[in-house]
Amino acid sequence: AQSVSQHNHHVILSEAASLELGCNYSYGGTVNLFWYVQYPGQHLQLLLKYFSGDPLVKGIKGFEAEFIKSKFSFNLRKPSVQWSDTAEYFCAVGGETDDKIIFGKGTRLHILP
Amino acid sequence: DVKVTQSSRYLVKRTGEKVFLECVQDMDHENMFWYRQDPGLGLRLIYFSYDVKMKEKGDIPEGYSVSREKKERFSLILESASTNQTSMYLCASGQADYSNQPQHFGDGTRLSIL
Repeated sequence: AQSVSQHNHHVILSEAASLELGCNYSYGGTVNLFWYVQYPGQHLQLLLKYFSGDPLVKGIKGFEAEFIKSKFSFNLRKPSVQWSDTAEYFCAVGGETDDKIIFGKGTRLHILP
Repeated sequence: DVKVTQSSRYLVKRTGEKVFLECVQDMDHENMFWYRQDPGLGLRLIYFSYDVKMKEKGDIPEGYSVSREKKERFSLILESASTNQTSMYLCASGQADYSNQPQHFGDGTRLSIL
């Protein structure tokens, strides 16, 4: 069955700490991968996406993600987080030609000032 | 700036009522989506549409229907609202490229069914 698993439901870090949010997927065939972010009181935004090519993808606000095909993973990273990164983060996966994508259950990130 | 506009931020309705949630996008996107977002469950796709008058069921279509009479507008209809439909509803749109992912989301409608 197709699924997306985000390992951490809730993460608390101090400012300047490094961040890695885990995402694993189960999906047959070639996949497109996404990370979305929802800041408090705001709409969901696309943070970054992977379709093909370089497995290390850079997104907005200093975020990056690495697609490791052998591990079925697409972990999100940031070297040094800021208080403004407090948000909920969603990983999502879709087949290369699918009409829809599947979202993970989300990870709430709290950054302590 | 691109915009997906949902008609209401907050809505309170009663059990059994017919409820309409409206969504308009100004980006001329072919694809539009309705999701519901519940704590601990993430986003679940209710319906999506890839063209005017075209619709496809998502993962949880039961109790819902949709209407897309114009390209820019996608309506979600709760035929007979029930308390288990209390949730945050998100509309999204996206271009009909090969990925078909939702690219832009609205602010959401928090719907309470009493």
